Amino acid sequence: GQNIDQPTEMTATEGAIVQINCTYQTSGFNGLFWYQQHAGEAPTFLSYNVLDGLEEKGRFSSFLSRSKGYSYLLLKELQMKDSASYLCAAPSNDYKLSFGAGTTVTVRA
Amino acid sequence: GAVVSQHPSRVICKSGTSVKIECRSLDFQATTMFWYRQFPKQSLMLMATSNEGSKATYEQGVEKDKFLINHASLTLSTLTVTSAHPEDSSFYICSARGVRGGLSTDTQYFGPGTRLTVL
Repeated sequence: GQNIDQPTEMTATEGAIVQINCTYQTSGFNGLFWYQQHAGEAPTFLSYNVLDGLEEKGRFSSFLSRSKGYSYLLLKELQMKDSASYLCAAPSNDYKLSFGAGTTVTVRA
Repeated sequence: GAVVSQHPSRVICKSGTSVKIECRSLDFQATTMFWYRQFPKQSLMLMATSNEGSKATYEQGVEKDKFLINHASLTLSTLTVTSAHPEDSSFYICSARGVRGGLSTDTQYFGPGTRLTVL
């Protein structure tokens, strides 16, 4: 089975940096996804890590350490529109996604 | 990213009626589509997986006779909630993965979701 843990809530100030951690225990490893979900909307794809290390995509970066079962999503230069839930997800061997409970990020002015 | 559409975006129905939700991949061939359900303040829960041309596989606890899934083509899957009851009120979201530009993609792209309210 898949077990995915991430913090429930985080609050940060506009322009700041926030790091959302995710630890996972999976039967087999098939990469790790991060999605952003605004209230009342479906998730949108942010990143997919298969190899160890940091992948940078503009203001958002994602890190993976397979040996530690650990990933984080780094949000830089926070904007108000970044207030959302961020979901860590791990696929099984047959591509089924198991989601963490989601981290609600609130950006304050 | 790839585009997945869902229709309708919102539906209100009376208890006992059936509701059909469509999920379409607009710019790629969706060999696999997934149906999720999300209750308020909870994460997405996978209901079933459907592969084009074959029967859907349902997660434990999901009634296959109540949630009928059809994946008749590489761009369309439908979820029919039969004899809906108030406890079926939820946010239903589909996702798709498949072949885009000749390359298989592991990324699941989500539709915008359908909010079902059963009175």
